[in-house]
Amino acid sequence: GAGVSQSPSNKVTEKGKDVELRCDPISGHTALYWYRQSLGQGLEFLIYFQGNSAPDKSGLPSDRFSAERTGGSVSTLTIQRTQQEDSAVYLCASSLVAGSGQPQHFGDGTRLSIL
Amino acid sequence: QQQVKQSPQSLIVQKGGISIINCAYENTAFDYFPWYQQFPGKGPALLIAIRPDVSEKKEGRFTISFNKSAKQFSLHIMDSQPGDSATYFCAAYYNQGGKLIFGQGTELSVKP
Repeated sequence: GAGVSQSPSNKVTEKGKDVELRCDPISGHTALYWYRQSLGQGLEFLIYFQGNSAPDKSGLPSDRFSAERTGGSVSTLTIQRTQQEDSAVYLCASSLVAGSGQPQHFGDGTRLSIL
Repeated sequence: QQQVKQSPQSLIVQKGGISIINCAYENTAFDYFPWYQQFPGKGPALLIAIRPDVSEKKEGRFTISFNKSAKQFSLHIMDSQPGDSATYFCAAYYNQGGKLIFGQGTELSVKP
């Protein structure tokens, strides 16, 4: 596609429910990144994929968070047993490959609200 | 220390003026420094980027100045326009992995 596509654009759910957020990277981009943007914490790195492998998961805040990527393309970020502090905008980015100097291109994010 | 400190938090500039946003870092493993522009409801968009072996990079009205010894870099927006009103983030790329470390952001408002 022309850009990074994320769905849904907005998600409202009740505390304790599981949610899945989807990211479709730019065609041909082998690296994919997840970030979280919240008022108090700014933009935080969560996890990145090179192909289907996740060399760095260091930003995942708890074991309730997981992500997978299959076929080297679409990625899903799953949050189990959501908590109110999970409310944020979840941003996905992609680049040709992972590595310094490779521009990361962002989608418009999924705005997640936990009631 | 994997932090990038950005200032000011907010900035008001008159149309035609120069907007200056500053960032500082500690970790010498950072080796690529992009700036992103973000409008409300949109994702960050790459504006301009620099490597630490270059002291200045200019693209149109946007210039990055980089001081490697001081571990500081800044974004200058010349002839600022109301359409430049957005939030700007500096970032640093950690050479041991794939992640960007972002500054806290600067909300720029350019008054007509």
